[in-house]
Amino acid sequence: NAGVTQTPKFRILKIGQSMTLQCTQDMNHNYMYWYRQDPGMGLKLIYYSVGAGITDKGEVPNGYNVSRSTTEDFPLRLELAAPSQTSVYFCASSPNAGVLSEQFFGPGTRLTVL
Amino acid sequence: DQQVKQNSPSLSVQEGRISILNCDYTNSMFDYFLWYKKYPAEGPTFLISISSIKDKNEDGRFTVFLNKSAKHLSLHIVPSQPGDSAVYFCAATRRQAGNKLTFGGGTRVLVKP
Repeated sequence: NAGVTQTPKFRILKIGQSMTLQCTQDMNHNYMYWYRQDPGMGLKLIYYSVGAGITDKGEVPNGYNVSRSTTEDFPLRLELAAPSQTSVYFCASSPNAGVLSEQFFGPGTRLTVL
Repeated sequence: DQQVKQNSPSLSVQEGRISILNCDYTNSMFDYFLWYKKYPAEGPTFLISISSIKDKNEDGRFTVFLNKSAKHLSLHIVPSQPGDSAVYFCAATRRQAGNKLTFGGGTRVLVKP
């Protein structure tokens, strides 16, 4: 099993550009999450999804959009990149509702906005 | 408003000794707590968890203690090994919150041979 995969690993954007961070999991998990980690800080939740077609905002959703058309994929979209979005982005997944369980994380995407 | 805090940004310990990492939280609704370990350029990996109905959970060299009245938990690593050198994150959630995690800022542990 590959677990949670993220692409790209690194990306440099200019201010105002847009991009999509890809996330795929092969564990048939219903729950998926996007976090960002700023230098020296903990992870903060951007968006999450409890199943295909269902998404909701986390703690820091401004400047981002998500979609969940399949169980496997949960892409994160940046429409107008800003320097404040320079961060490392982690995607995660976890099994079904009703059972508190660990989240499985991808390796991250390091994004720099100049 | 930081609901989960790890007040020690770093910790240095000799190989074979005990590492103690601390975590405080403010939200009394949290009822499940987890510790994650993170190596550079990798995603966090789950280490150990504890439900609020327990005060201790042990898994090999790792033990987590929960003091609900003090809103405090700690992770003990005994004995510490060089491979334990990493950043450790405390996280908390509540059953009604869709398994959304609130993370602390992390503690960087260095285990010296």
